[in-house]
Amino acid sequence: ETGVTQSPTHLIKTRGQQVTLRCSSQSGHNTVSWYQQALGQGPQFIFQYYREEENGRGNFPPRFSGLQFPNYSSELNVNALELDDSALYLCASSLTGFDEQYFGPGTRLTVT
Amino acid sequence: EDQVTQSPEALRLQEGESSSLNCSYTVSGLRGLFWYRQDPGKGPEFLFTLYSAGEEKEKERLKATLTKKESFLHITAPKPEDSATYLCAVQAVYSNYKLTFGKGTLLTVNP
Repeated sequence: ETGVTQSPTHLIKTRGQQVTLRCSSQSGHNTVSWYQQALGQGPQFIFQYYREEENGRGNFPPRFSGLQFPNYSSELNVNALELDDSALYLCASSLTGFDEQYFGPGTRLTVT
Repeated sequence: EDQVTQSPEALRLQEGESSSLNCSYTVSGLRGLFWYRQDPGKGPEFLFTLYSAGEEKEKERLKATLTKKESFLHITAPKPEDSATYLCAVQAVYSNYKLTFGKGTLLTVNP
């Protein structure tokens, strides 16, 4: 059974640029959530997708957007990058959404 | 708003010295409380889910318990490989699956 995978591992961008992060869910999981984890903090919920529809959103501005594809892979897009967007971005998948969420290794984004 | 507070922020133990980590929470209707382990630079690794007060779960040297206001992660006779950040998260009944995390407890076990 393949776990959650994310790409790229690391990314360096300049303020104002746009970035796309990718996630492949664990086999059989149709729910994916994205979290932002700043250094020394717990993960913060960005949004969740269930069967290609956004199913819930945290306190993040509209420049954070996402997609889920028919094969349940997912993307997180961030426009107009700000320095505070520097963080570890985590993707998590679950079977139903109500059970445990399994996290990928994360993408470390640095904005300069 | 859901809140999770973990204490202590950091804990140093000698190998074999048992202790407990605390997770206090405020949520309007708890669906589940989750414990994760996170190694530096990696994603959280799922440990336990607890659903109701009085529930307990065990895995190797770890035991998680739940009351109506807090959860404890008991570590018995820890080994250096147990060193990691332990994260607690709650999921509310109304939450659309969102997990609200605490800041974590950084555990260091010295040989």
